[in-house]
Amino acid sequence: DTGVSQNPRHKITKRGQNVTFRCDPISEHNRLYWYRQTLGQGPEFLTYFQNEAQLEKSRLLSDRFSAERPKGSFSTLEIQRTEQGDSAMYLCASSYAYRNRRYHTFGSGTRLTVV
Amino acid sequence: AQSVTQLGSHVSVSEGALVLLRCNYSSSVPPYLFWYVQYPNQGLQLLLKYTTGATLVKGINGFEAEFKKSETSFHLTKPSAHMSDAAEYFCAVSVRNSGYSTLTFGKGTMLLVSP
Repeated sequence: DTGVSQNPRHKITKRGQNVTFRCDPISEHNRLYWYRQTLGQGPEFLTYFQNEAQLEKSRLLSDRFSAERPKGSFSTLEIQRTEQGDSAMYLCASSYAYRNRRYHTFGSGTRLTVV
Repeated sequence: AQSVTQLGSHVSVSEGALVLLRCNYSSSVPPYLFWYVQYPNQGLQLLLKYTTGATLVKGINGFEAEFKKSETSFHLTKPSAHMSDAAEYFCAVSVRNSGYSTLTFGKGTMLLVSP
């Protein structure tokens, strides 16, 4: 168990550019979640997958955001035409699907700064 | 919809003193409750969880929390603070409506420990 891995750890981009983050979950976990955390706030849910199916999306996930989980393994989160308001820590988590074992294990996050 | 309120954005204690971090939740259905800890520029680590059964739950690093349904509370305590406990603490809830899938977090409480 190597934990949840996120890359890159930090990303600085200019407003209007596209960015993509990657998350590698714990291999036995079939659920994968994305959260966003802004300064001084708790994490906010964005979306989650069970295997390759995207089961739920938050209203926070605007049209500029897209997440994929091909083959039910790693996941990517892409933000198109970034805005300064997108600056945040993007956290990935994974869990088992079985209800009593849906405890999120979080990665270290990707910190995005839009300048 | 469910929500979490953490009273006090900052709590200061002396090393060796009692730690008490407050969390109240709002949910119309039985919740699962969690406490996570976050160190600077890191992801979240699960401290403890309540799902069903015993209302007093023990976690890692000497922390414990008690689920009080009548008070809709899940306060986190530790008898004796250590310098290494200085971090941000988040209370979170998940509910049956969402299949206990996603977490709703409070805004967090920063614990400061002085020598």
